[in-house]
Amino acid sequence: EPEVTQTPSHQVTQMGQEVILRCVPISNHLYFYWYRQILGQKVEFLVSFYNNEISEKSEIFDDQFSVERPDGSNFTLKIRSTKLEDSAMYFCASISGAGVGNEQFFGPGTRLTVL
Amino acid sequence: AQKITQTQPGMFVQEKEAVTLDCTYDTSDPSYGLFWYKQPSSGEMIFLIYQGSYDQQNATEGRYSLNFQKARKSANLVISASQLGDSAMYFCAMREPQTGANNLFFGTGTRLTVIP
Repeated sequence: EPEVTQTPSHQVTQMGQEVILRCVPISNHLYFYWYRQILGQKVEFLVSFYNNEISEKSEIFDDQFSVERPDGSNFTLKIRSTKLEDSAMYFCASISGAGVGNEQFFGPGTRLTVL
Repeated sequence: AQKITQTQPGMFVQEKEAVTLDCTYDTSDPSYGLFWYKQPSSGEMIFLIYQGSYDQQNATEGRYSLNFQKARKSANLVISASQLGDSAMYFCAMREPQTGANNLFFGTGTRLTVIP
C-alpha cells in the first residue's frame, strides 16, 4: 500500500540553526501539506502546496518557514532559524484530489527538538 | 471560534465495552467532511473513518461508527467492543472546501484508556 514517508524521524538542533524536514508524498497525489503538533496539543495546519506553489498558509507559517518541491517527488519544509518553540512533531500529508471526502494520508512525522 | 470541539480530555472504558467520543463542529459551509484519526503513543496519525455532510447514512468501518447528527453539528465516534490496543489519542477533524486548500482543522483530542 502506498504511503507517505518522512525523514528524519527525529531531529535535534541548536536554537538558531536551519533545519530541513523531508517528505515523500504518495506518487500520484496532487496536494501536499505540513502540519505541526506541539507535545500534548492538537495538530495545527501550517501550509498547503499545489501545482508547485503555496495555496494556503496559516498564521504560524511566518517568514522563517519555507516549502519546496525540488524534484517532483520530495516535499521539504525548511525552518530558517529555529526557536525553542519550534520543538514539535511535524507531519507531512498528501491527498489525491480536491474532493472534500478525499482521505488525507499522513506520514509518520518528524519529531523536532530545539535546544 | 473553534471549528472542532472535543470536550472530553480523557475517557476510560472497560475492555469489550463500547465507548463514545464526542465531537462538535462549527461551519457555515453546506459541504464539508468530518474525519476521525487515532494517534497511538508512537505518534503516527491513523485514519479511522469519514463522514460527508451530504451522506444520508452514518459511516461505519469495522468496530468504528460515526453518530452523525447534522442539526446538532455533532459527529461522535463510537468504538464497539473496545480492545487494549484502542488506547490512544483520538482526534476529530473537519475539512471545508471553501478554505481552498482543503486542509484539516483538528480538535484538541480525547485520550482513551482501555482498562483490562
